[in-house]
Amino acid sequence: EAQVTQNPRYLITVTGKKLTVTCSQNMNHEYMSWYRQDPGLGLRQIYYSMNVEVTDKGDVPEGYKVSRKEKRNFPLILESPSPNQTSLYFCASSLAVGSPLHFGNGTRLTVT
Amino acid sequence: GIQVEQSPPDLILQEGANSTLRCNFSDSVNNLQWFHQNPWGQLINLFYIPSGTKQNGRLSATTVATERYSLLYISSSQTTDSGVYFCAVLDSNYQLIWGAGTKLIIKP
Repeated sequence: EAQVTQNPRYLITVTGKKLTVTCSQNMNHEYMSWYRQDPGLGLRQIYYSMNVEVTDKGDVPEGYKVSRKEKRNFPLILESPSPNQTSLYFCASSLAVGSPLHFGNGTRLTVT
Repeated sequence: GIQVEQSPPDLILQEGANSTLRCNFSDSVNNLQWFHQNPWGQLINLFYIPSGTKQNGRLSATTVATERYSLLYISSSQTTDSGVYFCAVLDSNYQLIWGAGTKLIIKP
């Protein structure tokens, strides 16, 4: 089944403890992206990648890192999480930028 | 940059009713997508519709690019249609610009 898989679905952590949210797609998509969704602020893009080894900042990149070493994987790394990074995170992919976007099921992160 | 406005912000309907959701955008675009976020938070791509009309079951969408709007029609609404509907357009920097969404509640 064609899908975008994010893990974990739920994560509770403490301030400063490094964490990684994994994202994998099995559709051979070139474009991948991370979003965060907060009440009243909608979907905001964190980072995106147009292809392997190519990543770019979105609207809210501060406090996040990504890597794209393989086409299928695009992990989101929080080196030192803070409470303002408590949010619902989505990974998404598409064949190319602008093509129909497919989302993972989301990761609800709480940083205390 | 491009502004995307969706209306209405909220809509409450009885099961079986029809509805029309609107997405206006401030500049010409060649890419528009509609998404549904269900009450469990999942985001599903409904339509990729830069222009013209598409139909998928009870849902259809029309984009009139020259007049800078798109419409999403839901016929014979079901409770499973509840959630938030987003439109998003691609700007000249190849970034998706999202509307704030229309929250739809279908009452049984």
